[in-house]
Amino acid sequence: DQQVKQNSPSLSVQEGRISILNCDYTNSMFDYFLWYKKYPAEGPTFLISISSIKDKNEDGRFTVFLNKSAKHLSLHIVPSQPGDSAVYFCAASGDTNAGKSTFGDGTTLTVKP
Amino acid sequence: NAGVTQTPKFQVLKTGQSMTLQCAQDMNHEYMSWYRQDPGMGLRLIHYSVGAGITDQGEVPNGYNVSRSTTEDFPLRLLSAAPSQTSVYFCASSYSWRGKAQPQHFGDGTRLSIL
Repeated sequence: DQQVKQNSPSLSVQEGRISILNCDYTNSMFDYFLWYKKYPAEGPTFLISISSIKDKNEDGRFTVFLNKSAKHLSLHIVPSQPGDSAVYFCAASGDTNAGKSTFGDGTTLTVKP
Repeated sequence: NAGVTQTPKFQVLKTGQSMTLQCAQDMNHEYMSWYRQDPGMGLRLIHYSVGAGITDQGEVPNGYNVSRSTTEDFPLRLLSAAPSQTSVYFCASSYSWRGKAQPQHFGDGTRLSIL
């Protein structure tokens, strides 16, 4: 049973438009959520996170929204840039150790010039 | 500022061989983890450590062994390689809780093929 799901394997958007990446989870014990970005042949890099006590966290062009009742979170990128083209992973943690995070399968974002 | 360093970057093994994947971090992080990523899938936790001398199993620990004798190093040992262990392996480290879960810093991975 996959506890963190990213149901869209890929997403293509035009430069300057909004990118919305979605993530669903099933375990109600998760209380911390992180987004990572990964380029080919590199390790993932941290992008943004949100605690379960919040419903929104914003950092520049990146905003993460959390809907606890629906067990759903989304990452918004506005405006999208070609350099944002990468694989995005949603991760969830049930305790203070993000090193025990459960990852989704990732969404490949392509931003077209 | 090296961050998390993994060696080797690529490795081909024969079934039954053993080897050690090396991971070192220079950020004085307490937590370290090993993940594997198979094609089209996310990262699955193999083993993790919350400090020197302390390790625990993750989601997919079978066939792997770890130890943490220093804060900096967290090697992953394949005891008897099997084709099912063909994957990309990532090591990660992070600080312990600082009022919130700390994000992980990842190495660039070791691409391992078992023939």
